[in-house]
Order: sequence, then C-alpha cells, then structure tokens
Amino acid sequence: DTAVSQTPKYLVTQMGNDKSIKCEQNLGHDTMYWYKQDSKKFLKIMFSYNNKELIINETVPNRFSPKSPDKAHLNLHINSLELGDSAVYFCASSQEWGYTFGSGTRLTVV
Amino acid sequence: EDQVTQSPEALRLQEGESSSLNCSYTVSGLRGLFWYRQDPGKGPEFLFTLYSAGEEKEKERLKATLTKKESFLHITAPKPEDSATYLCAAPSGSARQLTFGSGTQLTVLP
Repeated sequence: DTAVSQTPKYLVTQMGNDKSIKCEQNLGHDTMYWYKQDSKKFLKIMFSYNNKELIINETVPNRFSPKSPDKAHLNLHINSLELGDSAVYFCASSQEWGYTFGSGTRLTVV
Repeated sequence: EDQVTQSPEALRLQEGESSSLNCSYTVSGLRGLFWYRQDPGKGPEFLFTLYSAGEEKEKERLKATLTKKESFLHITAPKPEDSATYLCAAPSGSARQLTFGSGTQLTVLP
C-alpha cells in the first residue's frame, strides 16, 4: 500500500490554464504539506495543513490554493499557470516530525 | 532568517572510499535536525532525526552526528547503491514546517 500517493505523476499544460494535483495519505497523520522542488533540487515549503490550521508560506502566489476535503486528502489547485511554475511538487504528511513524502508530480508549463 | 546549508553540492567516491557530508544551520531554537535520502524520480525518504549536540545515529553504512552548529553524515565504505541526493532539514516557523538544504548529490562508482 502506498502511504502518500499523488496524481498525476506528470502534468504538461499550457500557460494560463488551471490545474489540480491530488494527494492522499493512508497513514492516519494529522498534518499534510505541499513542497515545491525547483530545477536545482531545492525543496521549499508551500503549505502545511491540519484539521485546525492552514499555514501559507508568504512567498507562494495566491494563484496556488490548497483544498482539503478530509484529513486524508490535500489537493493543490493552481490558477493561471505560468512558465515559472514548472517544477516537481511533493505532497507529504506527518504525525509529529516524521515526514513521509509522495513520489512527486512533475509539472511542465509550456 | 532560518537557513540550512549543505556541502559539497556533489561528491563522487569510489566504492569503499569513506567520506562525510556537511549540513550547517542557523535556526533559532533548534528542534531537531533531519536527514533524508532522495533517489531520482522519487520523494525524499527519511533517514535520521538528531535532537541534541553530541547525538549520533547509525543505519548500515551511514552515521549522522550533530554539533551546536552543524551536522555530518558519515558514509563508511560506500556502495554504488548509496548513490542518491542526501538532504538535511531543520524545523522552522510553526506547524512542523521543515527548511531544507539544497542537498549533496552523492555518486559512488563501482
């Protein structure tokens, strides 16, 4: 069983489109995250969310929005995609400090 | 601003040639130092957590150590399967957000 699963694994889309990435965890963790990994492999926090609190990294454009239908899911919606949004996006979950990451979604904006 | 810096960016070793990776941090009130391994096309995989200066953790050929300002990941007699990018991270802000270093890409040649 995959602990943290993301779909799709690859996403190629045109500038200006709106897209979503889905994430599900079956670990019973109370907090989920979205991280962005750029071409230099640098991982940067975008959001963290549990059933009480959404924390947004202040550098994330408001075109990005997390949506959590329940504790096990945290989806990422991106509006008006730009070339600079091309990256690998990782979902993760944790209970305390032990993060478990998904396998990533490679987003390419053309 | 909390920062985590890793060196070297890349390291090539012959099989059996031991070495160390460095992670230095400037994080106020350190609440732990985390090491992850990332293979190409996959999400980071948790290796170790260190909480206090002087602490050491071991797993197979890897040993992580922590001082007040930096952490080292020692690799003893590495094998080609140890080739990966090694990331360190420290908690910053609230809600269990991790700040990651840019990683060391390790290549072990047979």
